[in-house]
Amino acid sequence: QSVLTQPPSVSGAPGQRVTISCTGSSSNIGAGYDVHWYQQLPGTAPKLLIYGNSNRPSGVPDRFSGSKSGTSASLAITGLQAEDEADYYCHSYDSSLSGYVVFGGGTKLTVL
Amino acid sequence: EVQLVQSGAEVKKPGESLKISCKGSGYSFTSYWIGWGRQMPGKGLEWMGIIYPGDSDTRYSPSFQGQVTISADKSISTAYLQWSSLKASDTAMYYCARRRSYDFWSGFDPWGQGTLVTVSS
Repeated sequence: QSVLTQPPSVSGAPGQRVTISCTGSSSNIGAGYDVHWYQQLPGTAPKLLIYGNSNRPSGVPDRFSGSKSGTSASLAITGLQAEDEADYYCHSYDSSLSGYVVFGGGTKLTVL
Repeated sequence: EVQLVQSGAEVKKPGESLKISCKGSGYSFTSYWIGWGRQMPGKGLEWMGIIYPGDSDTRYSPSFQGQVTISADKSISTAYLQWSSLKASDTAMYYCARRRSYDFWSGFDPWGQGTLVTVSS
């Protein structure tokens, strides 16, 4: 059971907009810790997609955006493309765990 | 270019020991936290622990405390993940990743390419 909860799967047609939620609690996202998002394409290592809730690293298209409110965060992808089909993970920190780092269980995005 | 390069795939028997590595380049190795994550076949990412090579401060996630050892050799810019007695359930892909910035709460970037560990009798 992951500390951060994500839907197991989402899907959308090319060109559409999809969102992926990441729900935490008062000891992690709700405590003010930043949320980061990663994209993992099949057979590859994860790649940082969004950092600090809503910032994109250089090279990440502006079709990807992140937001955070209360104990939850969201990743939005607009203008869906076939190459966006991947697993997406959220990451934050938790003050109740000695290791601090917590991940969501991951969401499989299928482009129909 | 900032890079993390991991050691190659391993095939081991239950009960054997193992140490895999993650070599950093293109940055000051002692100034950034490096962590390890596990991904079992067909499953999500699980965070194992993290080390600050500058002073070897190490934090383990509760599920992995006592199960693995994370270390670093700053003289060769390399972090390690080791097991003293492997189990079949340790079969997984293991990734190292560096904190994106000096900020303790930052995301992880870059990631290593992964090391596949297979434990089978």
